[in-house]
Amino acid sequence: GDSVTQMEGPVTLSEEAFLTINCTYTATGYPSLFWYVQYPGEGLQLLLKATKADDKGSNKGFEATYRKETTSFHLEKGSVQVSDSAVYFCALSSNTNAGKSTFGDGTTLTVKP
Amino acid sequence: DTAVSQTPKYLVTQMGNDKSIKCEQNLGHDTMYWYKQDSKKFLKIMFSYNNKELIINETVPNRFSPKSPDKAHLNLHINSLELGDSAVYFCASSAGRLSGANVLTFGAGSRLTVL
Repeated sequence: GDSVTQMEGPVTLSEEAFLTINCTYTATGYPSLFWYVQYPGEGLQLLLKATKADDKGSNKGFEATYRKETTSFHLEKGSVQVSDSAVYFCALSSNTNAGKSTFGDGTTLTVKP
Repeated sequence: DTAVSQTPKYLVTQMGNDKSIKCEQNLGHDTMYWYKQDSKKFLKIMFSYNNKELIINETVPNRFSPKSPDKAHLNLHINSLELGDSAVYFCASSAGRLSGANVLTFGAGSRLTVL
């Protein structure tokens, strides 16, 4: 079945540091890949997505590239801010599985001033 | 207008009680979901409905019963609550279930605490 493995947390960085959160996946067919972000006390919201190999999703300074050869979708940001502190979820969806989305376990990011 | 709204936001109750959580979406989406998030933030799908039809039913105790009166509403009823049911329950909806690029819109969550 489909699965998503993402870097274990928690991750603590200083403001303006470089962020990488690793994500790899296993799926049948050709899944779409997503990063969702959950701020404290809120629901998840879409951060970025990529629907085919070599696509790059980007939003709010975050980027991730769909790498089919390494089955990866690592999240990066060049300079994090305190306001980026949240839980980040990597996810995939595939039309071969009733459209079910599969989520990673989440990575908690804390950015200190 | 909130896209996916769920009520109540907080629910504190005793073991053995029955409770319901309601969800409504105004996005015109065909598919709605219930997810459970535990204290470690792990997210697990419970149910999914497409146009009022149950399409995903993960291994969930029979005490949990979803109901979708129309495609804009998906409610979750829980009988005989147990301590392990304490979690945050998220409702979500999507439009592109079969397209592959299935973007989910989540509600703010309902935190259930069973004492």
